[in-house]
Amino acid sequence: AQTVTQSQPEMSVQEAETVTLSCTYDTSENNYYLFWYKQPPSRQMILVIRQEAYKQQNATENRFSVNFQKAAKSFSLKISDSQLGDTAMYFCAFMKHKVQGGSEKLVFGKGTKLTVNP
Amino acid sequence: NAGVMQNPRHLVRRRGQEARLRCSPMKGHSHVYWYRQLPEEGLKFMVYLQKENIIDESGMPKERFSAEFPKEGPSILRIQQVVRGDSAAYFCASSPPGTGAYGYTFGSGTRLTVV
Repeated sequence: AQTVTQSQPEMSVQEAETVTLSCTYDTSENNYYLFWYKQPPSRQMILVIRQEAYKQQNATENRFSVNFQKAAKSFSLKISDSQLGDTAMYFCAFMKHKVQGGSEKLVFGKGTKLTVNP
Repeated sequence: NAGVMQNPRHLVRRRGQEARLRCSPMKGHSHVYWYRQLPEEGLKFMVYLQKENIIDESGMPKERFSAEFPKEGPSILRIQQVVRGDSAAYFCASSPPGTGAYGYTFGSGTRLTVV
């Protein structure tokens, strides 16, 4: 079974600074997908960024980028130019590559609570 | 496009009562997923449904919990004879066929409180 570990329960950063959230995972699969989701106080789960394991290039979405190290099974999220609206819980998640008739379920870590201070 | 709609947003039930949580997927989405989030925890997969079919229920407790996604109408997660340990936020997500790997769209969740 796959597991996802986020070793930082809480982090804080000053507005406009850069912060990196850590995530490691354990799997015997070769093809899979990794995600970062954001959950603000509204409770809505929002997809931040996605990475396909077969792609060596790290995904980027505006101020958000990842450092994907497949051999080390590491998938960290970097937030540049942090904004007050980035304050939220951040969850790392794993999904196996779907085989025919299979499931597309996500396995989540326990989350990191990020606070951006003015 | 209204997004994934879950209702009610908050639900309070007494121990032993039944809880019914509803999820209307986004227009054009035929795949629905239910997750449970306990306090201070990440989301845990419960069940994956397509219209009129349960594809994967490996995360569903064996007793008291059931889910359906009928041909017409919303997906329903049903919890019979609720206990205090069922108190949690329940999230529904949806996706078009075969696109779950691009990331689902989640609803805002239903917070169930059992008193």
